[in-house]
Amino acid sequence: NAGVTQTPKFQVLKTGQSMTLQCAQDMNHNSMYWYRQDPGMGLRLIYYSASEGTTDKGEVPNGYNVSRLNKREFSLRLESAAPSQTSVYFCASSQTGTNYGYTFGSGTRLTVV
Amino acid sequence: GENVEQHPSTLSVQEGDSAVIKCTYSDSASNYFPWYKQELGKRPQLIIDIRSNVGEKKDQRIAVTLNKTAKHFSLHITETQPEDSAVYFCAATRDSNYQLIWGAGTKLIIKP
Repeated sequence: NAGVTQTPKFQVLKTGQSMTLQCAQDMNHNSMYWYRQDPGMGLRLIYYSASEGTTDKGEVPNGYNVSRLNKREFSLRLESAAPSQTSVYFCASSQTGTNYGYTFGSGTRLTVV
Repeated sequence: GENVEQHPSTLSVQEGDSAVIKCTYSDSASNYFPWYKQELGKRPQLIIDIRSNVGEKKDQRIAVTLNKTAKHFSLHITETQPEDSAVYFCAATRDSNYQLIWGAGTKLIIKP
């Protein structure tokens, strides 16, 4: 039982490059989330998907797009990376909404130069 | 909307002593309150949670208390150990809301 798997673990991009962060969960959870965490800071919600087929903006969606490919997978795309997007990105999933707690992936450490 | 405030931002305690972290929330309809622990360089992990129909919940050395009237909830860690050193986040939400509202985090330092 892998839980929530994120790839890649580390990535360095040049300004203007694009990339997709992948996330997959094997717990049959309905809801999935993308967060970013800047050094020494808390978690900020980028986008979430309450259920398969739906996505909604969170607190900091600008510069990002998401796709809920199926119930298991939720990807985050940076179309034109900027240095301000240097951060650690966490994917998370939960059973139903938020009331059963989140399970987080191990994170993607992204540096944009 | 909901707002969660967490205090203190840093807490330093002697090994073996107790630690208490407090959060206040603004939405009286919030009914689910989890606590997460994040060790350095690791992912946040759920350590304990409480629903609004319960006033206290314990799990070995950790406990959470909830005061609905005052709209605050607290994490209590007894007999602290070096492995308790981490950042702790509180959060709050209510049924049908798909977003956890997070506190800013408390860095807990256990002094040997």
